[in-house]
Amino acid sequence: QVQLVQSGSELKRPGASVKVSCKASGYTFTGPSINWVRQAPGQGLEWMGWINTNTGNPTYAQDFTGRFVFSLDASVSTAYLQIDSLKTEDTAVYYCARDRATIDFDLWGQGTLVTVSS
Amino acid sequence: QSVLTQPPSVSAAPGQKVTISCSGSNSNIGNNYVSWYQHLPGTAPKRLIYDNNKRPSGIPDRFSGSKSGTSATLGITGLQTGDEADYYCGTWDSSLSAGVFGGGTKLTVL
Repeated sequence: QVQLVQSGSELKRPGASVKVSCKASGYTFTGPSINWVRQAPGQGLEWMGWINTNTGNPTYAQDFTGRFVFSLDASVSTAYLQIDSLKTEDTAVYYCARDRATIDFDLWGQGTLVTVSS
Repeated sequence: QSVLTQPPSVSAAPGQKVTISCSGSNSNIGNNYVSWYQHLPGTAPKRLIYDNNKRPSGIPDRFSGSKSGTSATLGITGLQTGDEADYYCGTWDSSLSAGVFGGGTKLTVL
């Protein structure tokens, strides 16, 4: 079955770090890029950037530079999103998505809720 | 403030037709393909339309997409209560070198 399965919800304190995983199955992982999309509470979808699954090279949207890190382990067909120095405003659902072309997301993970609260 | 502009909400009765607009500029819609996504709360977004007007397999032909200049439109006919969701347009912005989404449109089937 072609799918992206993300790790479960996380509750973190401000200043901590979190690492969200996105495991691909049913297709060849290296090839289509993996993108990350954020949805903050009550807000719309926001593109965070993408990672080249052939080279591991990440590209970040302007608002997601510095504390956000995309990585992958092709040996287990998994992409990762790490957020450091968490802030309360990072509370959101984070989605990974396979990009068929350019911002054409044909396959999505189920989303991971990250809650940052003291 | 989203780069792509969508109406916040639309509504129509079951069985009727609705259109959702997505307005942009030459740096995004005007020169790049547009995709449309349906998002139900608590679920993963689902691609409805890609390359402006193509439907993936499994998407009913009640859903259609079009593009003219710097605007795109999603059409839904034969509305069903199950169509109640948030709908987003998305594309690449060549000036920003970034993916962009519309702010989303909440569809209510009355």
